[in-house]
Amino acid sequence: AQKVTQAQTEISVVEKEDVTLDCVYETRDTTYYLFWYKQPPSGELVFLIRRNSFDEQNEISGRYSWNFQKSTSSFNFTITASQVVDSAVYFCALIISGGSYIPTFGRGTSLIVHP
Amino acid sequence: DAGVIQSPRHEVTEMGQEVTLRCKPISGHNSLFWYRQTMMRGLELLIYFNNNVPIDDSGMPEDRFSAKMPNASFSTLKIQPSEPRDSAVYFCASSFYAGNTIYFGEGSWLTVV
Repeated sequence: AQKVTQAQTEISVVEKEDVTLDCVYETRDTTYYLFWYKQPPSGELVFLIRRNSFDEQNEISGRYSWNFQKSTSSFNFTITASQVVDSAVYFCALIISGGSYIPTFGRGTSLIVHP
Repeated sequence: DAGVIQSPRHEVTEMGQEVTLRCKPISGHNSLFWYRQTMMRGLELLIYFNNNVPIDDSGMPEDRFSAKMPNASFSTLKIQPSEPRDSAVYFCASSFYAGNTIYFGEGSWLTVV
């Protein structure tokens, strides 16, 4: 069985601070996909990134970066120089290839960025 | 390209009434998911269709809930009779194939009074 743990329920920072959202996953499978989604106060779920288990390269997209480490089963998300518009709930998710393909979501981390 | 389209966006209904939520997945996507989100339970998968066939409906709460996908471009989630505890945001999502990125609709905000 697979599991995704986002241990940080809520994080509060001041604008321009860097912040890292943690995601730890559990699976016995070797082929899987990891995702991050953003849910702003307006409620929609916005796709941010997809990473497959064979690609451990870190990724940077503007102020966003992702650190994938299979050794620690983690797929952490860092926002550099946070802004008020980054305030949202962020979800990490896992899909196992060759299984049911049903995604397992973490409980989410609520990020509050104060001006 | 149009994303996943859900309707209605907001619905307020009285307990006991039938509620039908609708979803149009992204064209060409063959996997469709219905999720429910509440503060208490977070994001819960209700049902998953692949090529219009229900693959996993173990998350459907009870017989009051039913879902159909008559064709590749339309799905419904029906609650009959509705109860106040069904109040939640219901998301429909689709992906090009199983395991690929799942794209969500904007959600249907249901309030049962």
